[in-house]
Amino acid sequence: QVQLVGSGGGVVQPGRSLRLSCAASGFTFSSYALHWVRQAPGKGLEWVAVISYDGDNKYYPDSVRGRFTVSRDNSKNTLYLQMSSLRPEDTAVYYCARALWGSYRSPLDYWGQGTLVTVSS
Amino acid sequence: EIVLTQSPGTLSLSPGERATLSCRASQSVSSSYLAWYQHKPGQAPRLLIYGASSRATGIPDSFSGSGSGTDFTLTISRLEPADFAVYYCHQYGTSPYTFGQGTKLEIK
Repeated sequence: QVQLVGSGGGVVQPGRSLRLSCAASGFTFSSYALHWVRQAPGKGLEWVAVISYDGDNKYYPDSVRGRFTVSRDNSKNTLYLQMSSLRPEDTAVYYCARALWGSYRSPLDYWGQGTLVTVSS
Repeated sequence: EIVLTQSPGTLSLSPGERATLSCRASQSVSSSYLAWYQHKPGQAPRLLIYGASSRATGIPDSFSGSGSGTDFTLTISRLEPADFAVYYCHQYGTSPYTFGQGTKLEIK
């Protein structure tokens, strides 16, 4: 069955960097666009990034553009989110999620369990 | 950016009742690229509806979606105890892809 397992979260100081990973199994990883979505404590869901099936296209909201970089290794079935210049407002549970139809203009049908990132001094 | 506004913020109902949740977009959502998710604490969100009205795999027919353009609705025809959760609408047609702020469905 489809599984997405996120890892790499933890406590980090403001201004530092952190890399999240999402290991996928149970589907043809290289055929699907993948997203990162986060949820700050007590808040709703916020879309963070998307990467196309081949890694050629990447999109971000203004809140993270220039600080976060999404990438993937199709040989390892793994999605990454490199986060730099972290701010306290980046504190959240980060979910990786699969696009239902492969294209990034697609709803998110499978989600990882989430990994918590806390930005604090 | 397309802003999605959900109402009400909290909906208090009893099992067996009908729930109607609203999602209004600040501009037209292209090709009805509108989805609904159910989210429970400590769990991953669950896709319920996509394309405004198509049920995702395994979703019971008590859940239905409708609407187009800027106004969308999620209806749960008869509430079960497991349906009490937070519900989000999501537009995936135009980047940045955005979520509504959520409607909390709580037991009355």
